[in-house]
Amino acid sequence: DTEVTQTPKHLVMGMTNKKSLKCEQHMGHRAMYWYKQKAKKPPELMFVYSYEKLSINESVPSRFSPECPNSSLLNLHLHALQPEDSALYLCASSQEGTPPDTQYFGPGTRLTVL
Amino acid sequence: GEDVEQSLFLSVREGDSSVINCTYTDSSSTYLYWYKQEPGAGLQLLTYIFSNMDMKQDQRLTVLLNKKDKHLSLRIADTQTGDSAIYFCAEGLTSGTYKYIFGTGTRLKVLA
Repeated sequence: DTEVTQTPKHLVMGMTNKKSLKCEQHMGHRAMYWYKQKAKKPPELMFVYSYEKLSINESVPSRFSPECPNSSLLNLHLHALQPEDSALYLCASSQEGTPPDTQYFGPGTRLTVL
Repeated sequence: GEDVEQSLFLSVREGDSSVINCTYTDSSSTYLYWYKQEPGAGLQLLTYIFSNMDMKQDQRLTVLLNKKDKHLSLRIADTQTGDSAIYFCAEGLTSGTYKYIFGTGTRLKVLA
């Protein structure tokens, strides 16, 4: 099973709303990632969790707040977003430290900020 | 530097071979990967190659790596309309936490 699931599939929110994106994997992977992808662009890394600890934060604004409650779950809490934050948000996981460290991606959440 | 470049667009006829190219700059990468993304979907891993290899073949896919020139290519044999998608190369970097640097992406259009 190489499946990473993400909910919701689509999300529309206003700039004053608070919402959360969820990601789940049951492959026993110990690294999980959040990426942001704008149309016709490559994914941009936002956060990396390794063994449930935040190991990379790519200077992401504080209106995005990641959380890793356990090794299978990864959340992204959203608050006071801007219209330019509208994008496809992708979650991925990998068996960190085990070559080839392949990342497996979920289908993404399409976020629209009004 | 961490720039990974790809040509933007490639158009081929069904049944022909497609070759998608990727140029990277960081010689410390250990693995290089190819992903496929269909419209509105996530990224699907196609294949990967260890940086000490020159070539890897996997069914219709052939990956060539020229480490001296930092050039990677993906050849798709007998291209089908279902292969139409965006293809991303990615290099894996080991400075600190292992992470990917994605290429700019190549949109492949297969004409029937």
